[in-house]
Amino acid sequence: DTGVSQNPRHKITKRGQNVTFRCDPISEHNRLYWYRQTLGQGPEFLTYFQNEAQLEKSRLLSDRFSAERPKGSFSTLEIQRTEQGDSAMYLCASSLVPSGGETQYFGPGTRLLVL
Amino acid sequence: GENVEQHPSTLSVQEGDSAVIKCTYSDSASNYFPWYKQELGKGPQLIIDIRSNVGEKKDQRIAVTLNKTAKHFSLHITETQPEDSAVYFCAARRYSSASKIIFGSGTRLSIRP
Repeated sequence: DTGVSQNPRHKITKRGQNVTFRCDPISEHNRLYWYRQTLGQGPEFLTYFQNEAQLEKSRLLSDRFSAERPKGSFSTLEIQRTEQGDSAMYLCASSLVPSGGETQYFGPGTRLLVL
Repeated sequence: GENVEQHPSTLSVQEGDSAVIKCTYSDSASNYFPWYKQELGKGPQLIIDIRSNVGEKKDQRIAVTLNKTAKHFSLHITETQPEDSAVYFCAARRYSSASKIIFGSGTRLSIRP
């Protein structure tokens, strides 16, 4: 399968713990995006990378959140000192610019539950 | 700020009938409008998109229309089938931004047999 993959698919943690999610984009895609989706809402943009450079961060991305894409391929999203309000689906997407146009391809998401 | 409003939030249609979902956007600089379909437990999947230099686009049973003056765009699904049941999201993006997509809040479409 050559789509965007995310691991783990589900994560249950206790408040105050740290969690890390991984995203593997479509091969050769140079842009990678992170979104958060809460129940009954559309995805909300968190941050994106062009190759290994993090170019934009939403104000939703508090200091407890950090994302990396060290080699311009896979990315990790870490949440420190999790809070119950962090419970959501975390979606990763990738795209190829400029030749791939604007299309962002989404992965299946990681569902986080903070108890 | 940038905002995309979508309605209705839920829609139930008889199999074979048409379904229409409508969206409005606030950022007049938006020029790319994708529509995504999300099935339970899966990520959003692009089903069709339209750019601001086009008023209408069709792909088999799916069509999108765009009214830039009114900042409205709509998704039309004809001859609905059970597999069309899902949550549909409209979205908007500035080409110059080239990054974040602003999503609507979604429409849960149910197809009655």
